[in-house]
Amino acid sequence: DIQMTQSPASLSASLGETVTIECLASEDIYDILAWYQQKPGKSPQLLIYDASSLHTGVPSRFSGSGSGTQYSLKINSLQPEDFASYYCQNGLSAPRTFGSGTKLEIK
Amino acid sequence: EVQLVESGGGLVQPGRSLKLSCAASGFTFSDYYMAWVRQAPTKGLEWVASISYDGGSTYYRDSVKGRFTISRDNAKSSLYLQMDSLRSEDTATYYCTTETTGPSGYFDYWGQGVMVTVSS
Repeated sequence: DIQMTQSPASLSASLGETVTIECLASEDIYDILAWYQQKPGKSPQLLIYDASSLHTGVPSRFSGSGSGTQYSLKINSLQPEDFASYYCQNGLSAPRTFGSGTKLEIK
Repeated sequence: EVQLVESGGGLVQPGRSLKLSCAASGFTFSDYYMAWVRQAPTKGLEWVASISYDGGSTYYRDSVKGRFTISRDNAKSSLYLQMDSLRSEDTATYYCTTETTGPSGYFDYWGQGVMVTVSS
């Protein structure tokens, strides 16, 4: 199975700041990577797929990048609704595996 | 608008069975692979099972193989998860999701989730 290692596990930031979350795959996943956002008590929502493509309706302050085994999610100009948990996911091979998550909190 | 509504969760004793259902609307159900993803309390996300468009192919994580069965009824736009021989480690919120296919497998739409608690 492909292991997905996310960092940091938690992150505190202020409104308007820019933050970056990292995801490391245990082997090359050829940009077949997704990012999800989960707000407390809610279901996860797809943000980004194929490492850098925004899902329908996702604001442009979210962006994804990376290649090979290293990927990142960047959120520009943090808004109140962005404080949530974020997960990366290997979409290349079965079983689909997720990172352990990053909880983004307001400073 | 895509809607996925799960039902059938609850409290069940170890070793017993439970069947989850997911009613889909707002899209052509038979055009999509479907999947179940779960999340144990305060934990991360874990893929459980997937099923092809017509139900002819099914896929499971190792820990549920032989105990869980994913199925679908395209005429009813419904997805199911039959869970047998339940264990305490199956306690989680179970989400019904659509799954993209081709070279990539992403979960693009999610239901609100249904809680399953396995405890004596």
